Amino acid sequence: AQSVTQLGSHVSVSEGALVLLRCNYSSSVPPYLFWYVQYPNQGLQLLLKYTSAATLVKGINGFEAEFKKSETSFHLTKPSAHMSDAAEYFCAVSEGSSASKIIFGSGTRLSIRP
Amino acid sequence: GAGVSQSPRYKVAKRGQDVALRCDPISGHVSLFWYQQALGQGPEFLTYFQNEAQLDKSGLPSDRFFAERPEGSVSTLKIQRTQQEDSAVYLCASSLAEDRVGGYTFGSGTRLTVV
Repeated sequence: AQSVTQLGSHVSVSEGALVLLRCNYSSSVPPYLFWYVQYPNQGLQLLLKYTSAATLVKGINGFEAEFKKSETSFHLTKPSAHMSDAAEYFCAVSEGSSASKIIFGSGTRLSIRP
Repeated sequence: GAGVSQSPRYKVAKRGQDVALRCDPISGHVSLFWYQQALGQGPEFLTYFQNEAQLDKSGLPSDRFFAERPEGSVSTLKIQRTQQEDSAVYLCASSLAEDRVGGYTFGSGTRLTVV
């Protein structure tokens, strides 16, 4: 069965500092991996996705994530945090077929300190 | 439409009342998913449609939950005899069937509060 574990339910960084949100996955087949962002009272927006092409994936808003098979990880990073990055971030995994459901982690709330 | 539209945006139901939540997917999107997101949690899969066929309903928590998509476009999630534990945000998402790796497009959700 597939699953994702997000380490840290809440991360707080200073504006301009590095953002690192951790995600580890479990999958019996080569996974497709996603990061979604959710702003208050809104739906989820896709930040980036890994689909077995390049292991370093660049997404919107300056975020990127690196797929590391040996570590079963897909951590999300951004070199310099902006106040507008404050939101809930979800890591997710699927088996990748068109009919596959996506399994979400429990989320990490990112706070940005001025 | 340009995005996935869900209605109502907010719903307050008395315990025991039946509710119906509507999802209008992006035009042409074959796949449609329903998720339940409890407060402070990640979304949990409920059910999946490909056109009008419900291919996976393994996530529906009880037989009080029922979903349909009779014409392969608009979908309705119905909850009968609502209970307090049903309080959550219900998210709908759609995707192109052939878009195997694109992820979903989510609606803004319906926040259900059972009192």
